Amino acid sequence: GAVVSQHPSWVICKSGTSVKIECRSLDFQATTMFWYRQFPKQSLMLMATSNEGSKATYEQGVEKDKFLINHASLTLSTLTVTSAHPEDSSFYICSASPPGAGSYNEQFFGPGTRLTVL
Amino acid sequence: EDKVVQSPLSLVVHEGDTVTLNCSYEVTNFRSLLWYKQEKKAPTFLFMLTSSGIEKKSGRLSSILDKKELFSILNITATQTGDSAIYLCAVNNNDMRFGAGTRLTVKP
Repeated sequence: GAVVSQHPSWVICKSGTSVKIECRSLDFQATTMFWYRQFPKQSLMLMATSNEGSKATYEQGVEKDKFLINHASLTLSTLTVTSAHPEDSSFYICSASPPGAGSYNEQFFGPGTRLTVL
Repeated sequence: EDKVVQSPLSLVVHEGDTVTLNCSYEVTNFRSLLWYKQEKKAPTFLFMLTSSGIEKKSGRLSSILDKKELFSILNITATQTGDSAIYLCAVNNNDMRFGAGTRLTVKP
């Protein structure tokens, strides 16, 4: 149980295009999903918290209009990188929390998506 | 398809216990295996392993990689309540693949 999937696993796109990444909780309902981005030296940065049925909460420094998050159902959150540029190339990972989860250490992580912008 | 599997999914121990967390993988072009600790806003990097049989150690935490059997273990000795967290394993193979994490709860 507690499987989180991401699609696609990797994507290559041209500069200026938009890319959508899906995060799904396969066997549980997730009221909250998190989106992370990996930076050099292995660090992972929290980008935003996605709450089903409401607007996402973005971390400081993350452009809301650049990284659109939609949590339309209890099993799906999407991250759309709009007008992607080479500097957006990175590894994006999502995680999901079941209902009632009260802390950051009650998440299940997806396998991640590698975005390469040419 | 590349995959990273962590076990157990969840673990509850008492302070002072020693725990062993497992991470097995099936990937092509393996480069390295990474361990993270997730308790606050973002996972904290713990170890990166590239060679078999060489133990990496940091305080009460240690980790080792077996590239023949395709797994790594993370050991935590004399656990404390502050060790309660999700421990994430990831494999770098020209890409990155994360496991689902092991939720460790250390009770007083």
